[in-house]
Amino acid sequence: TQLLEQSPQFLSIQEGENLTVYCNSSSVFSSLQWYRQEPGEGPVLLVTVVTGGEVKKLKRLTFQFGDARKDSSLHITAAQPGDTGLYLCAGAGGTSYGKLTFGQGTILTVHP
Amino acid sequence: DAGVIQSPRHEVTEMGQEVTLRCKPISGHNSLFWYRQTMMRGLELLIYFNNNVPIDDSGMPEDRFSAKMPNASFSTLKIQPSEPRDSAVYFCASSLLEMGYTFGSGTRLTVV
Repeated sequence: TQLLEQSPQFLSIQEGENLTVYCNSSSVFSSLQWYRQEPGEGPVLLVTVVTGGEVKKLKRLTFQFGDARKDSSLHITAAQPGDTGLYLCAGAGGTSYGKLTFGQGTILTVHP
Repeated sequence: DAGVIQSPRHEVTEMGQEVTLRCKPISGHNSLFWYRQTMMRGLELLIYFNNNVPIDDSGMPEDRFSAKMPNASFSTLKIQPSEPRDSAVYFCASSLLEMGYTFGSGTRLTVV
């Protein structure tokens, strides 16, 4: 069974601070995705990383896929209250059905 | 495309009643997933379909739960009889191969 461990589980910071969320596994994934979920809505895909060592930037968000494709991180620079939400990482195991394994999530609160 | 459409958005029912949740996936997506989300357990995969065929239903908690996908544009998740511990947010998601999931807005189920 493939498992993804996310840390930290909760993060409460002030506007303007930087933060990093980690996603770790003992399994190798063919790709890894990050989602953000706001209250009352479903998760929304932010990015997909597919190559070991890959780094993708989305404005103030930087996503990295580990060299061995077992771990990933999400770094947010100068966090804003609008970044508040649940962040989920999800790994794809390479099946043709596209089944994802989700981490437990990180609840981020950015205070103004 | 309007995205993944779920109905109803909210459902309050009495214990013992039958509950049917509905999902319309994105046209052209070949995989459909039903998830349940709670604070305690996070996102749990219940069942998923590929090309309308159920592939893995090992996440369905009990025989009280059943899911169907009669065609590429419609799926249902039924709980009969419902119990208070079934209270959760149920999400439907669709995808094309290993591309990212598109989630619906979810159905918040409360069983009293």
